[in-house]
Amino acid sequence: EVQLVESGGGLVQPGGSLRLSCAASGFTFSSYWMSWVRQAPGKGLEWVANIKQDGSEKYYVDSVKGRFTISRDNAKNSLYLQMNSLRAEDTAVYYCAREVDSSSWMAFDIWGQGTMVTVSS
Amino acid sequence: QSVLTQPPSASGTPGQRVTISCSGSSSNIGSNTVNWYQQLPGTAPKLLIYSNNQRPSGVPDRFSGSKSGTSASLAISGLQSEDEADYYCAAWDDSLNGRFGGGTKLTVL
Repeated sequence: EVQLVESGGGLVQPGGSLRLSCAASGFTFSSYWMSWVRQAPGKGLEWVANIKQDGSEKYYVDSVKGRFTISRDNAKNSLYLQMNSLRAEDTAVYYCAREVDSSSWMAFDIWGQGTMVTVSS
Repeated sequence: QSVLTQPPSASGTPGQRVTISCSGSSSNIGSNTVNWYQQLPGTAPKLLIYSNNQRPSGVPDRFSGSKSGTSASLAISGLQSEDEADYYCAAWDDSLNGRFGGGTKLTVL
């Protein structure tokens, strides 16, 4: 079965750090661009970052540049999001998602179940 | 507010055809393909349309997408009660950012 499973969410104080993981299975992970997308409580979807198949290209939404780092380990079929200097406005459900193919940007055909990150004192 | 503009709400009766619009600019919809998602409460989004008008396998042909210039539309024909959900458009932006629309809440009356 093709699936993505996120982990690592939780409650963290403002200024703190958290590392999210996304375990992929059922497909050739190294063949796909991967993204993180978040959704604040009661709000819409927001793209956070993406990474090329070999990790050589990474892009970020302006609001997380310099604070978040996306990475992947193709040997472990895993995607990561290192989040530093967290702010209250980073509170959201974080989803990892697979892009359909390299020519269909922002077309995510597989999503994880999401992991909740709460930034609060 | 979102770079891609959607109406906050839409509605229709069972069997009706409804459309949801998504307006962008030359740097996103005008130069990149558009995708559409359906999100039911408490669940992850589901890809409905990609590359402007392509349906992933398993998506009913009641759902269709189109794009013209810097705008795109999602059409749902033969509206069913289970179509009640939030719908989002999405496109890449030439500023090297991914963009989602603000979302449209569809109510089946």
